[in-house]
Amino acid sequence: GENVEQHPSTLSVQEGDSAVIKCTYSDSASNYFPWYKQELGKGPQLIIDIRSNVGEKKDQRIAVTLNKTAKHFSLHITETQPEDSAVYFCAASIQAGTALIFGKGTTLSVSS
Amino acid sequence: EADIYQTPRYLVIGTGKKITLECSQTMGHDKMYWYQQDPGMELHLIHYSYGVNSTEKGDLSSESTVSRIRTEHFPLTLESARPSHTSQYLCASRRDTLNTEAFFGQGTRLTVV
Repeated sequence: GENVEQHPSTLSVQEGDSAVIKCTYSDSASNYFPWYKQELGKGPQLIIDIRSNVGEKKDQRIAVTLNKTAKHFSLHITETQPEDSAVYFCAASIQAGTALIFGKGTTLSVSS
Repeated sequence: EADIYQTPRYLVIGTGKKITLECSQTMGHDKMYWYQQDPGMELHLIHYSYGVNSTEKGDLSSESTVSRIRTEHFPLTLESARPSHTSQYLCASRRDTLNTEAFFGQGTRLTVV
């Protein structure tokens, strides 16, 4: 089955700096790669996603890149703000309806 | 905002009790999932359903059971709670026909004493 590795497990940055979180997946059939943000006491919420037919996607300060050959994808957050502090999860999915397989999560701390 | 709800949000219960965690969604999604989230925050798939009367076990072995009698409802039951069941339980749903996002409920934090 699919296995998703995520690094780093913790990341501390200064406000205004960039943050990068990296994930690798094992199943070349995976074609959907979402990123979720989980704040304390809440369920994970989608912040950005990318499909295998796209190499990069951007939404304001957040971007995701995908390298299908190397089977890895990354989340980039620019101009970080204290409210970006949360746990971030990457995930992969093979086809519609199948369960998302998650990475172990990255705790991002943004200090002002 | 996702229309998926979990109750209760918090539950403290004694060892040996039977408990049911409720999950309901009003989006008409066929696919529903239960994840267990450990203190290190990792999400483990414990059960999933592809539709009414369909239930499957996930990657992580769990002593819980699930049922899917109605599309919108996917309850999780522990027949005899133990301290090792203490965890956060997250319910999610996805559309059937598109490979797209999963919507999560806010979770149930279960403590078995």
